Amino acid sequence: QSVLTQPPSVSGAPGQRVTISCTGSSSNIGAGYDVHWYQHLPGTAPKLLIYGNSNRPSGVPDRFSGSKSGTSASLAITGLQAEDEADYYCQSYDYRLRRVFGGGTKLTVL
Amino acid sequence: QLQLQESGPGLVKPSETLSLICTVSGGSISNSRYYWGWIRQPPGKGLEWIATIYYSGSTYYNPSLKNRVTISEDTSKNQFSLKLKSVTAADTAVYYCARAGYDILIGYFSAYFDYWGQGTLVTVSS
Repeated sequence: QSVLTQPPSVSGAPGQRVTISCTGSSSNIGAGYDVHWYQHLPGTAPKLLIYGNSNRPSGVPDRFSGSKSGTSASLAITGLQAEDEADYYCQSYDYRLRRVFGGGTKLTVL
Repeated sequence: QLQLQESGPGLVKPSETLSLICTVSGGSISNSRYYWGWIRQPPGKGLEWIATIYYSGSTYYNPSLKNRVTISEDTSKNQFSLKLKSVTAADTAVYYCARAGYDILIGYFSAYFDYWGQGTLVTVSS
């Protein structure tokens, strides 16, 4: 049971917009700690997509965006592409558990 | 370009100690702008943070593993390492080493992993 809750799966057709939620609590996201997002393709190293709630590292397309409100955060992907099919993880800090990841969301591009 | 490479045995017997090394190239682990850490992914499961170390030697551990894990650094070799003792089958996972950047104004709490190694599979089995 992950401290940060993500939907197990989401899907969308090419060109569509999808969002992935990350729900925490008052000991992590709700306490004001930053949320970060990673894209993970099986057999490869996870890739940082969003840091500090809404910042994109250089090289990450602006189709990816992040937001945070209260005890939750969201990752939005617009103009969905086949190459976006991957697992996505949120990550934050929890004052009891230190650094925590969400359980992961599998994105399927239909 | 920063690169991280994990190395160590791919098979460890139950009750023994898992030992991994992360070799960093293209950057120094003594850089005060970064932390360095270990994350693992058991088969079919999500990512789990294990431990983090700062160039000063400060260490941070996942409370669920704290009694069994040690992270350390060797600045002369630009490496940091992980030791996990008394392993069981539940410790079977792909182990990643990673660099953690952070917001200077916020500090450690804001850390995120911006560079990762390719990962190494460690199987615990007799």
